[in-house]
Amino acid sequence: EIVLTQSPGTLSLSPGERVTLSCRASQSVSGSYLAWYQQKPGQAPRLLIFGVSNRATGIPDRFSGSGSGTDFTLTISRLEPEDFAVYYCHHYGRSLGYTFGQGTNLEIK
Amino acid sequence: EVQLVESGGGLVKPGESLRLSCAASGFMFSRFGMSWVRQAPGKGLEWVSSVSSNSENIEYADSVKGRFTISRDSATNSVLLQMDNLRAEDTAVYYCARDWQWLVHDSWGQGTLVTVSS
Repeated sequence: EIVLTQSPGTLSLSPGERVTLSCRASQSVSGSYLAWYQQKPGQAPRLLIFGVSNRATGIPDRFSGSGSGTDFTLTISRLEPEDFAVYYCHHYGRSLGYTFGQGTNLEIK
Repeated sequence: EVQLVESGGGLVKPGESLRLSCAASGFMFSRFGMSWVRQAPGKGLEWVSSVSSNSENIEYADSVKGRFTISRDSATNSVLLQMDNLRAEDTAVYYCARDWQWLVHDSWGQGTLVTVSS
């Protein structure tokens, strides 16, 4: 089964900065079955990106996803105060199993 | 507006059973697969189970296979998770989610807490 490793575990940044979060897979991901979720304290997760680079409905264009093979990234071009949260990558391809990364905590500096 | 409302959580002892329910509204329930995802206290997300729109495709995480059963009821627009032989490690907030594509969870409920403790 595929394992997703996110880095860094915690990131401290300021509003207005650009951030890139990493998600590395233990096996090559086929079929673009990679998504990203955002979760704020006490709330349910929210889908940001699916199919590696497709923004979900209502997601601002400052969020973008990219990558292929085993290396994937979520980029937030300019951090807004509401973007500070935990971010999870997620593999959802049947052949390699369904798994989430352990999360990256994006906190305000 | 899509709404998913979970219910049925609570405190049970190891080995006991619990049934979670998720009431869906605001969309055509019969067109979407549905999933359960859980989150242990202070931990990350773990996929639990999914059922396709027509119930023909059902999958479980290895950690719950043989103990949990997912089903859906088109009459009440709800998805159920029957949890038997519960273990301490099943303690978590259980989220119901709508699947826009298979296991792409585009809408989530607020979650229901299941605590398994003696």
